[in-house]
Amino acid sequence: RKEVEQDPGPFNVPEGATVAFNCTYSNSASQSFFWYRQDCRKEPKLLMSVYSSGNEDGRFTAQLNRASQYISLLIRDSKLSDSATYLCVVSVNTGGFKTIFGAGTRLFVKA
Amino acid sequence: DVKVTQSSRYLVKRTGEKVFLECVQDMDHENMFWYRQDPGLGLRLIYFSYDVKMKEKGDIPEGYSVSREKKERFSLILESASTNQTSMYLCASSPSRGYGNTIYFGEGSWLTVV
Repeated sequence: RKEVEQDPGPFNVPEGATVAFNCTYSNSASQSFFWYRQDCRKEPKLLMSVYSSGNEDGRFTAQLNRASQYISLLIRDSKLSDSATYLCVVSVNTGGFKTIFGAGTRLFVKA
Repeated sequence: DVKVTQSSRYLVKRTGEKVFLECVQDMDHENMFWYRQDPGLGLRLIYFSYDVKMKEKGDIPEGYSVSREKKERFSLILESASTNQTSMYLCASSPSRGYGNTIYFGEGSWLTVV
């Protein structure tokens, strides 16, 4: 079982749609959580951190459920420019720290 | 803005060649990383370093070595390139040892081994 699992997609949605991505992690010692965005043939970049109370940044909302070991990202009013791969990222306490990247969920937003 | 620079963006090498991938960061970050990214497998950590002359193996170190002689520079070495090392290689850095630190990536080096 992968340590961080995501639905690979692709998700194909029209502009203006709301889309949700889910991510599960297996290690209960996970301490920090993030969503990164990666455009085609580009490097990943931090989209947002995910806090226990949930957090919002404009059209993006991230949620964390520690009991179920589950993270989500909601994108409202999708734009063409949201087309990218979204990576779920978890930092785990292993005595040091270890950052684990999910394989990503591909999103296509169409006009 | 944090800048992580990978000097070689696109390389084609022959099987058995020695390959050097160079990475420089300009923000005095303690941590530096080398990942490879393959379709369906996501990012896999090859090696990382918390300090000058320090290195630790990641998840897939076989066939690779690294060098960190200066804080800002972290090099990945393929001693004898093989076709299964064809991949996108991403260098990254982060400020310090901690769970909440953002990881900043370079633009990537696309290596093809023929």
